[in-house]
Amino acid sequence: EAGVAQSPRYKIIEKRQSVAFWCNPISGHATLYWYQQILGQGPKLLIQFQNNGVVDDSQLPKDRFSAERLKGVDSTLKIQPAKLEDSAVYLCASSLEPPGGDYNEQFFGPGTRLTVL
Amino acid sequence: SQKIEQNSEALNIQEGKTATLTCNYTNYSPAYLQWYRQDPGRGPVFLLLIRENEKEKRKERLKVTFDTTLKQSLFHITASQPADSATYLCALDYPLSFGAGTTVTVRA
Repeated sequence: EAGVAQSPRYKIIEKRQSVAFWCNPISGHATLYWYQQILGQGPKLLIQFQNNGVVDDSQLPKDRFSAERLKGVDSTLKIQPAKLEDSAVYLCASSLEPPGGDYNEQFFGPGTRLTVL
Repeated sequence: SQKIEQNSEALNIQEGKTATLTCNYTNYSPAYLQWYRQDPGRGPVFLLLIRENEKEKRKERLKVTFDTTLKQSLFHITASQPADSATYLCALDYPLSFGAGTTVTVRA
């Protein structure tokens, strides 16, 4: 079974520039998550989709970050304009369904390492 | 405010010994707690989940305990091997809130 795919793996940009990350979840997984992981910290949830609807975006800095999941499959996360503090690894994860009765394991992609200069 | 704290220091142990990692939390009442492994340059990988009504769970050489009174989980790697070297993250609740992780290095 193919895992969660992300691209690019690395990106270096100047502050105030724009950047976009792409995620292809595991086939059949209804729920997709974007996390931000700053060096030395654990991942922090930015946004969660179920199919193509947003379930939770309470920690997404909406003045500069946006995300979409068209057709309930692939997703893109965009930062515009980027700040120095956005330097981090951006992880995408997917699961079959959000936990209701029983838990569904989250599968993470390799992440995109963003450096903002 | 909600907080998840893991061992602040990295753990260096000799091969064959048991590694014990701690996860303490405040202002959470999690229905379950999870442990993940993360290798450099990779995303976290799910290891174990333990529910609030379970005291202990095992998977091969891994053992997790969950004490909701102490608000603490312990993660044990028995008979450790160099291949167990990684960062281990605990995570609570849904949506997941992660601790900062503890880096374990197993010396041959």
